[in-house]
Amino acid sequence: NAGVTQTPKFQVLKTGQSMTLQCAQDMNHNSMYWYRQDPGMGLRLIYYSASEGTTDKGEVPNGYNVSRLNKREFSLRLESAAPSQTSVYFCASSEAQGASDTQYFGPGTRLTVL
Amino acid sequence: QKEVEQDPGPLSVPEGAIVSLNCTYSNSAFQYFMWYRQYSRKGPELLMYTYSSGNKEDGRFTAQVDKSSKYISLFIRDSQPSDSATYLCATADNYGQNFVFGPGTRLSVLP
Repeated sequence: NAGVTQTPKFQVLKTGQSMTLQCAQDMNHNSMYWYRQDPGMGLRLIYYSASEGTTDKGEVPNGYNVSRLNKREFSLRLESAAPSQTSVYFCASSEAQGASDTQYFGPGTRLTVL
Repeated sequence: QKEVEQDPGPLSVPEGAIVSLNCTYSNSAFQYFMWYRQYSRKGPELLMYTYSSGNKEDGRFTAQVDKSSKYISLFIRDSQPSDSATYLCATADNYGQNFVFGPGTRLSVLP
């Protein structure tokens, strides 16, 4: 039981390049989330998927797209990376989208955009 | 004004001390209050959550919410070096919407 896994762990991009961050969970959770964490800002929600087949914008969605590929997988795509997207990205999952449903986080992807 | 504020620290205490970590929030619609622990270069993990006002205890950890003053606290008794981490508070409304994290307080417990 691996929980939430993310790939890659580290990535360096040049401005304008694109990439996809992958996330998978093996807990049969319905809801999945993408956050970014910046110093002094806390975790900010980029996109979430309350259930398979649905996605919704969070607090900071500009410059990102997501795909809920199936119940297990939720990917985050940067179409044209910008230095402002340098951050640590966390994927999380929970049984349902309620405040009392514990969110389980992956280990994070450290992205640098030059 | 940020919706959830925390003193970023770092906070250094000797082993065995009682630690008090605090957050303030601005939105009175928040009903759920969570504390997460994040070790260096790891993802956050939920420590405990409370609903509305009151106290909740789990081992050495006690969470306290005062909705009248919009103040959230986490107390750690008999602190251990293994408690050294960043502690994030988070809030949400009744529907699990508007999940907002504070920036975190970095705690070091010195042996």
